[in-house]
Amino acid sequence: GAVVSQHPSRVICKSGTSVKIECRSLDFQATTMFWYRQFPKKSLMLMATSNEGSKATYEQGVEKDKFLINHASLTLSTLTVTSAHPEDSSFYICSASPGQGSNQPQHFGDGTRLSIL
Amino acid sequence: DAKTTQPPSMDCAEGRAANLPCNHSTISGNEYVYWYRQIHSQGPQYIIHGLKNNETNEMASLIITEDRKSSTLILPHATLRDTAVYYCIDARGFQKLVFGTGTRLLVSP
Repeated sequence: GAVVSQHPSRVICKSGTSVKIECRSLDFQATTMFWYRQFPKKSLMLMATSNEGSKATYEQGVEKDKFLINHASLTLSTLTVTSAHPEDSSFYICSASPGQGSNQPQHFGDGTRLSIL
Repeated sequence: DAKTTQPPSMDCAEGRAANLPCNHSTISGNEYVYWYRQIHSQGPQYIIHGLKNNETNEMASLIITEDRKSSTLILPHATLRDTAVYYCIDARGFQKLVFGTGTRLLVSP
């Protein structure tokens, strides 16, 4: 089945550091990728929609300068948490979709647990 | 906000069928019903999806009512590894998925 790889799986770093998370679709081309965050015992919350070759679309309340998204190819999207602080600690998850016109399901990566000290 | 409603939790005995309901009161004509599950500390796993007809795959069966306002995910022989949070979502596949709070299924020996 479709596989989405997310890396790294876990990051622990100091406050003020910028952290980059990669999301790759391994066996299909993903025109669109999505980034979610999840706090303990809560559901996934969509942060932004990443479209290949264009600017990401951010959900209300998500700072685009804080969470930089790049989708430079059909198989890779990156999320950079800039100048991370303890409140940015969370579980970040990406998903990938084959693109418009397709009702094939999105597939998710295994998530990145970010801990800011 | 999520468009679907699910019971917060359900219990099932190992080996028995688990039937998880979902209400889709505002589903539109071109939206599919998707089911995902999330096992602790992992990303959501796709289970099954359908438009109008009932569907079955190696993981589960999906029953959709004729008016499409409700669906039921059936795990025919639940195992301990099926313990997870199950989410039903109305969407087109390429659109963003809005997750509700899901149903926490606990499968016990």
